Amino acid sequence: QKEVEQDPGPLSVPEGAIVSLNCTYSNSAFQYFMWYRQYSRKGPELLMYTYSSGNKEDGRFTAQVDKSSKYISLFIRDSQPSDSATYLCAIPRGKLIFGQGTELSVKP
Amino acid sequence: EAQVTQNPRYLITVTGKKLTVTCSQNMNHEYMSWYRQDPGLGLRQIYYSMNVEVTDKGDVPEGYKVSRKEKRNFPLILESPSPNQTSLYFCASSSLGSRNEKLFFGSGTQLSVL
Repeated sequence: QKEVEQDPGPLSVPEGAIVSLNCTYSNSAFQYFMWYRQYSRKGPELLMYTYSSGNKEDGRFTAQVDKSSKYISLFIRDSQPSDSATYLCAIPRGKLIFGQGTELSVKP
Repeated sequence: EAQVTQNPRYLITVTGKKLTVTCSQNMNHEYMSWYRQDPGLGLRQIYYSMNVEVTDKGDVPEGYKVSRKEKRNFPLILESPSPNQTSLYFCASSSLGSRNEKLFFGSGTQLSVL
């Protein structure tokens, strides 16, 4: 079993939609969870990180952790075409372990 | 501007012809790492370095070499490239003191080995 699993998509939504991106992880000892965003032909950039359980909000983005289910989510409200990118969940375990990434396309 | 710079951005080569991809960071980061990104496989770590003269294997080190003679530079060397090394490569760096291990990535090198 992979330590972090992520549905690669692709996911296509209309502008203004609420987007839900998800990852599952295998080790209940993980405590930090991160989301990176990667635009086409660019390197990933850190978008958000959360510690332990609960929600963290940053503008239109909300990161959520459910430790009981070992499930992490990134919600995007009022999605915009500029949100079109690949989103990667990542977990620090001495080094960063990345999910496969979900390719998101927001259509005008 | 804080950045990680990789060169070249695009490289086409032939099997067996040695090549080097350069990586440089201007943030005085101790930690540097190389990843390859392939469809369906995500980002996989090739090698990493915790500081000058300290390097270690990642998950997929076969066919690659690295060196860390200076803190800012971390070149990736393919002594005898093969077609299965065709991939998108990223160099990344971070401060070891950073609790959230925020990695700064370069813009990538698209390598094609014919």
